[in-house]
Amino acid sequence: SYVLTQPPSVSVAPGRTASITCGGNKIETIGVHWYQQKPGQAPVLVVFDDSSRPSGIPERFSGFTSADTATLTISRVEAGDEADYYCQVWHTSSDQGVFGGGTKLTVL
Amino acid sequence: QVQLVESGGGVVQPGRSLRLSCATSGFSFSSYAMHWVRQAPGKGLEWVAHISYDGRSQFYEDSVKGRFTISRDNFRNILYLQINSLRREDTAIYYCARVITRDRVPAYFASWGQGTLVTVSS
Repeated sequence: SYVLTQPPSVSVAPGRTASITCGGNKIETIGVHWYQQKPGQAPVLVVFDDSSRPSGIPERFSGFTSADTATLTISRVEAGDEADYYCQVWHTSSDQGVFGGGTKLTVL
Repeated sequence: QVQLVESGGGVVQPGRSLRLSCATSGFSFSSYAMHWVRQAPGKGLEWVAHISYDGRSQFYEDSVKGRFTISRDNFRNILYLQINSLRREDTAIYYCARVITRDRVPAYFASWGQGTLVTVSS
């Protein structure tokens, strides 16, 4: 099965830039998608197809994928960005969806 | 707007069965693949099952194969998840999600319901 690896936590000061990584074998060959989940709420898509943003998602959210690592970058971090973030791919070899373990973003 | 509303959760004894429903509106249900995703208390997201737009193909996460069945009613715009032989480790919030596909291959979850909680306990 395909495994996605995320750091359990990332901390950043308000106004700074946060980077959350997602590691997977040759992940650049698979479309990577990112979700934000706040406590008690359903996940929300923030980046799809590596680097595209759904309507309504601020330009501060961006994505990039290269080799074995996908990265979600949040610029000018705000207190409201504090949440859990998950990367996700569809693994065609096994016909299964795969999520990373999630990263808790703390705004200091 | 797109709405997904799950129901059918509750407290169930181990070994029993449960059927979850996801009522949808605001989009052409019969044109979209649909998935179930679950989240155990305090844990991360776990993909559970996929069904194609026409119901002809289904895929499952390994630990639920043979116990879970995903189905859909394209006339009533409802997605289902039949869960048999419930185990304590099935305790989770179960979300239904509308899926965007690429050449009929699932890609990402564009819309989510609020989830329904299943608690397996004696």
